[in-house]
Amino acid sequence: QVQLQQSGPGLVKPSQTLSLTCAISGDSVSSNTAAWNWIRQSPSRGLEWLGRTYYRSKWHYDYAESVKSRITINADTSQNQFSLQVNSVTPEDSAVYFCARSGYFKEYLQPWGQGTLVTVSS
Amino acid sequence: QSALTQPASVSGSPGQSITISCTGTSSDVGRYDYVSWYQQHPGKAPKLMIYDVSDRPSGVSNRFSGFKSDNTASLTISGLQAEDEADYYCASYTASATLVFGGGTKVTVL
Repeated sequence: QVQLQQSGPGLVKPSQTLSLTCAISGDSVSSNTAAWNWIRQSPSRGLEWLGRTYYRSKWHYDYAESVKSRITINADTSQNQFSLQVNSVTPEDSAVYFCARSGYFKEYLQPWGQGTLVTVSS
Repeated sequence: QSALTQPASVSGSPGQSITISCTGTSSDVGRYDYVSWYQQHPGKAPKLMIYDVSDRPSGVSNRFSGFKSDNTASLTISGLQAEDEADYYCASYTASATLVFGGGTKVTVL
């Protein structure tokens, strides 16, 4: 049974970098049949898929156009986890952030992490 | 990529059936059978209810069913129960190799 455990700060100052981590148990971040996603949710934007990484002989990255210039998703095989970085944050980036697993030709999200409320404020 | 279009709210009495629509484009819903539906209770993470248009994960009640025609997908909840009161979101894979969500539908059990 795959489980995802999120960690990271709940408060980030404007213009700084938001960093979150999602630790994986029950699967491998370098699995050839999994993909590792980040999603956020805010009252103004609803659920917004941010991007994902997956390994198919090499690492691949897909990002939402709306945030592509500011986000990075990385995998850490030594810790079996993946991370999200959002640069130059503004209050608009305040949201609950979720990590989730999808699969190879299995374009749905299951399971999800518990969610992390991130507030961008000085 | 624009969000998929869902009604803001749908309501029904216990035992009734309700249907939530999810309209996309020929680049997402209409192009792939990769439509999924999620249930979210307040303060909780979304829960997968339907995947690949009409398949149910293990443990999800058969009162939940999915369908797709052209650019519109739908989720039907039969035999509505109080525990079904929640927000529901559709999602679709897109031609840009991304995922797009609907705006969400609040289901109220009267």
